[in-house]
Amino acid sequence: GDSVTQMEGPVTLSEEAFLTINCTYTATGYPSLFWYVQYPGEGLQLLLKATKADDKGSNKGFEATYRKETTSFHLEKGSVQVSDSAVYFCALIPISGGYNKLIFGAGTRLAVHP
Amino acid sequence: EAGVVQSPRYKIIEKKQPVAFWCNPISGHNTLYWYLQNLGQGPELLIRYENEEAVDDSQLPKDRFSAERLKGVDSTLKIQPAELGDSAVYLCASSVTTGTSGGDTQYFGPGTRLTVL
Repeated sequence: GDSVTQMEGPVTLSEEAFLTINCTYTATGYPSLFWYVQYPGEGLQLLLKATKADDKGSNKGFEATYRKETTSFHLEKGSVQVSDSAVYFCALIPISGGYNKLIFGAGTRLAVHP
Repeated sequence: EAGVVQSPRYKIIEKKQPVAFWCNPISGHNTLYWYLQNLGQGPELLIRYENEEAVDDSQLPKDRFSAERLKGVDSTLKIQPAELGDSAVYLCASSVTTGTSGGDTQYFGPGTRLTVL
């Protein structure tokens, strides 16, 4: 079935470091891909998305590019801040089998230190 | 704009007891979702409502779980009786149906953390 695999955390970085969180997926055709973020004590928030191959989603300095050839959607940020500390979830909506049915990865915790 | 509201935020019960969670979606959002999030895992969809109708409840364990969305607004998720393995975070989300390819943006509440002793 459709699934998402993320790199295990926690990822610990110093402020202003470069961030990469790896995400790969298994799905038929061209699913839509998402990154959600969960700050402590808050609900999940959509960070960015891409709906077709080679699309780049971006928001708040974060970017991810939909790579069909490697079935990947890695999250990157050039310079992280302490306020970026959160849990990041990669997710997909399959092309069939349920409109709006989000399938999540296990999440990657990011801790940024001053 | 108020977000998705869930209550209670925390609940501790003994096994075999019943428990209920309540969700108030964002005003005007016709689609409502309940997700289960086990510790260290991503959320998994339990049930999705379009207005009052449950259009996807294939992952809901119907022997002990039930849900309702009267009048197409608020929703309640119930477990009876609760088991130790039900300890998790129960998330509610809502969205507006746009028909956009790639799905509608879902807005999540903070969740209810259930502990079954």
